[in-house]
Amino acid sequence: AQTVTQSQPEMSVQEAETVTLSCTYDTSESDYYLFWYKQPPSRQMILVIRQEAYKQQNATENRFSVNFQKAAKSFSLKISDSQLGDAAMYFCAYRLGSRLTFGEGTQLTVNP
Amino acid sequence: DAGVTQSPTHLIKTRGQHVTLRCSPISGHKSVSWYQQVLGQGPQFIFQYYEKEERGRGNFPDRFSARQFPNYSSELNVNALLLGDSALYLCASSLAVGARNQPQHFGDGTRLSIL
Repeated sequence: AQTVTQSQPEMSVQEAETVTLSCTYDTSESDYYLFWYKQPPSRQMILVIRQEAYKQQNATENRFSVNFQKAAKSFSLKISDSQLGDAAMYFCAYRLGSRLTFGEGTQLTVNP
Repeated sequence: DAGVTQSPTHLIKTRGQHVTLRCSPISGHKSVSWYQQVLGQGPQFIFQYYEKEERGRGNFPDRFSARQFPNYSSELNVNALLLGDSALYLCASSLAVGARNQPQHFGDGTRLSIL
């Protein structure tokens, strides 16, 4: 069974600084997808960034980027120039087929 | 364009009752998945439906059932409610089953509280 581990229950960052959230996963598959979702107090799960396992190049979306290390099964999220609106729970997720497996989440606090 | 819509937003039930949660996918999306998110945890996969057929099921008891209608909307039913069923129930839609590079889009969820 696939598992996703987020080892940082809580993280904090100063506004305008950079923060990295960690995620590791376990799978025997070679073709899969990885995602970072953001869940603010409003509850909606918002897609932040996605990575296809067969692509070596790390995905980037504006201030968000990932460090994908396939051999190490690691998928970290880097948020640059942090903003107050980035404060939320962040979930790392693994997808095989259409089933998403989520980690336990990292609560990110952004300090002004 | 409307996103994934779920109803109701909040529901309070007592133990032993049953509940029906509803989800309308994004227009054009044919796949709907359901997840249970207990407070303080990540979402857990319950079901996936595509073209009205069940395509995947997570590790949940038979008290949980679902169906998808011809318009691709979906219902999640839970019978004989237990206190442990208290959670946020999330619905997600996508274009198709395992559609390459097509992520799942989530609704705002239904908060179910069992007394």
